[in-house]
Amino acid sequence: SQQGEEDPQALSIQEGENATMNCSYKTSINNLQWYRQNSGRGLVHLILIRSNEREKHSGRLRVTLDTSKKSSSLLITASRAADTASYFCATGEYGNKLVFGAGTILRVKS
Amino acid sequence: DTAVSQTPKYLVTQMGNDKSIKCEQNLGHDTMYWYKQDSKKFLKIMFSYNNKELIINETVPNRFSPKSPDKAHLNLHINSLELGDSAVYFCASSLGIAGIFDEQYFGPGTRLTVT
Repeated sequence: SQQGEEDPQALSIQEGENATMNCSYKTSINNLQWYRQNSGRGLVHLILIRSNEREKHSGRLRVTLDTSKKSSSLLITASRAADTASYFCATGEYGNKLVFGAGTILRVKS
Repeated sequence: DTAVSQTPKYLVTQMGNDKSIKCEQNLGHDTMYWYKQDSKKFLKIMFSYNNKELIINETVPNRFSPKSPDKAHLNLHINSLELGDSAVYFCASSLGIAGIFDEQYFGPGTRLTVT
C-alpha cells in the first residue's frame, strides 16, 4: 500500500529560489527518508529523520517531521539546475520495509 | 567502484518468455531488495532478503522468483512474462533493515519492456 503522498506533484522554480516539498503519511513510523531520482537513474538517499526527531539539516537540505500531523517537509535552499529531479519520501514502517510515495517532480530553470 | 549493479540495463522481450535480472552489491550490506517502478514513477517493494533469507514477500505473482545465492547477490527470475510486467526494476541494499533504521542504496535499474 502507498504510505507517503507528496505535494505538490510537480514544482517549477527559478535557479536560486527555495523549493519546498511536503509528504503526508497514514500510519505510525520508525523513520522517514527522502530520496532523489534523476531521470533514468536509480534513487539516491538524501536524508533520514527518526520519529523522535523534529528537524534535520544536510547542506542545502532541511527536513522537518511532525508526527502529530503525520507530515514531513523537504526544503532545498538556493536551488540549482542540477537539483532538477524527482523527490520521494519513504516511511519506515514497523514491518521492516520502506514504503515510497509517488514523488514530486522538481524542475529548476536556469 | 559501482556500489549496487544490475544487469541488464535494458531488456526487451516477448510475452510468454522467461527472463532474469541480476543484482550485485559490493557494500558488505546484509539486506537486499527488489522494487518495481511503474510508468507513473510509483515505487513498490517486491522482495527483501536479509543474509540470504527472505524477509519480505509482497503480493507479487508467483511468476516472480527471487534467488539469493549469497548476501552480495539477489537475482530476479520472471516466468511467462506479461505486458503488465513492463516497468523499471530496481535492486537496492542496506546495511540493516531499512524500514527500521537504515538508508538504502539503489542500483541503476533495469527497464523491462514486454511486447
